[in-house]
Amino acid sequence: GIQVEQSPPDLILQEGANSTLRCNFSDSVNNLQWFHQNPWGQLINLFYIPSGTKQNGRLSATTVATERYSLLYISSSQTTDSGVYFCAVADSNYQLIWGAGTKLIIKP
Amino acid sequence: GAGVSQSPSNKVTEKGKDVELRCDPISGHTALYWYRQSLGQGLEFLIYFQGNSAPDKSGLPSDRFSAERTGGSVSTLTIQRTQQEDSAVYLCASSSMGGHGELFFGEGSRLTVL
Repeated sequence: GIQVEQSPPDLILQEGANSTLRCNFSDSVNNLQWFHQNPWGQLINLFYIPSGTKQNGRLSATTVATERYSLLYISSSQTTDSGVYFCAVADSNYQLIWGAGTKLIIKP
Repeated sequence: GAGVSQSPSNKVTEKGKDVELRCDPISGHTALYWYRQSLGQGLEFLIYFQGNSAPDKSGLPSDRFSAERTGGSVSTLTIQRTQQEDSAVYLCASSSMGGHGELFFGEGSRLTVL
């Protein structure tokens, strides 16, 4: 089955810094989503991005499907950006495969 | 409803008791997923419904776990004879198009088995 790898596993930054999170996948996928799980456990859908680039405020994402990766950019980090960022891809049967997540800590 | 609703938000039970967890998906969403998340871990897939049928039950960890969905809407996850290792947050998510569409999560049900 498809393997999904996220990097880095952990990231600690000062408030105001920029960051790039990566999601690699081992085979062609039908779609890709990025999620943020806040410290209280709530999972929020950030981007539905099978290909191309999308932006939402300080966050943007790019998926290069032909090269099997996606990047999540966070600019001017705030403490509320802390949490775990997951990517999930849909395989040829539209089953969702999840990465292990990147744990982000933003220090004030 | 406006979002995915789960109940109870917290459940503490004694080992050996049965528990039921409920998920009310976003209105009109045909696909419904159950996941389990232990402390500090990633998401563990349990079961996926498309309408009332469950084409993928591969994640249910044992025969003590079952789930049903009626009317293409509300789903119930039942854990019989609970064990301490069942303690986790149980997350429900729904989508308008299964793996084709965006996934929206509820706030989860935190289960503690004493």
